[in-house]
Amino acid sequence: EAGVAQSPRYKIIEKRQSVAFWCNPISGHATLYWYQQILGQGPKLLIQFQNNGVVDDSQLPKDRFSAERLKGVDSTLKIQPAKLEDSAVYLCASRYPGLALGELFFGEGSRLTVL
Amino acid sequence: GQQVMQIPQYQHVQEGEDFTTYCNSSTTLSNIQWYKQRPGGHPVFLIQLVKSGEVKKQKRLTFQFGEAKKNSSLHITATQTTDVGTYFCAGPTGGTSYGKLTFGQGTILTVHP
Repeated sequence: EAGVAQSPRYKIIEKRQSVAFWCNPISGHATLYWYQQILGQGPKLLIQFQNNGVVDDSQLPKDRFSAERLKGVDSTLKIQPAKLEDSAVYLCASRYPGLALGELFFGEGSRLTVL
Repeated sequence: GQQVMQIPQYQHVQEGEDFTTYCNSSTTLSNIQWYKQRPGGHPVFLIQLVKSGEVKKQKRLTFQFGEAKKNSSLHITATQTTDVGTYFCAGPTGGTSYGKLTFGQGTILTVHP
């Protein structure tokens, strides 16, 4: 089965610019996560979707970050305007529907560098 | 908020030596998962533990879940260079039925041949 697809793999922008990341989860996975992983740290949850509804966005910096999951499949994560501290890998992950247990399947990640 | 802590942060071993990383939660967990992330890669699921005191083995890897379900460990016997990477534990937090997963900061393992 195809894995979680993410794009772009790499992005370099200047501070105050905007950027968008795209994620296509594994077919049939209703739960989708966006994590931010700063170098040397563990993944930090930004937002969790169940189908096209937001389950948790308590750690999403809403003044600059936004995410949507139209039609409960693909998702986009946007940062506007970017700050230096947003430099990180943005990981998308998905999970089988309706399960509190079970593994997360991660994409390759989108590495963002903010200059 | 609920935290998942891991120690040590780094571990350097000679090939053939054993390795152990420990994970502790501030609250009781319903389950715990372990992931491995190779350098430059993404986290890959290793195992999930659910029962109090549970022990599971995968070849040279042994995973334990504490009796109080607040701690866990991963032990690798006779490390190989292919074991290099960062090992994360992750536990469900937030009280939702859909499994918000909080990751520890990871233990970086380097293996010298």
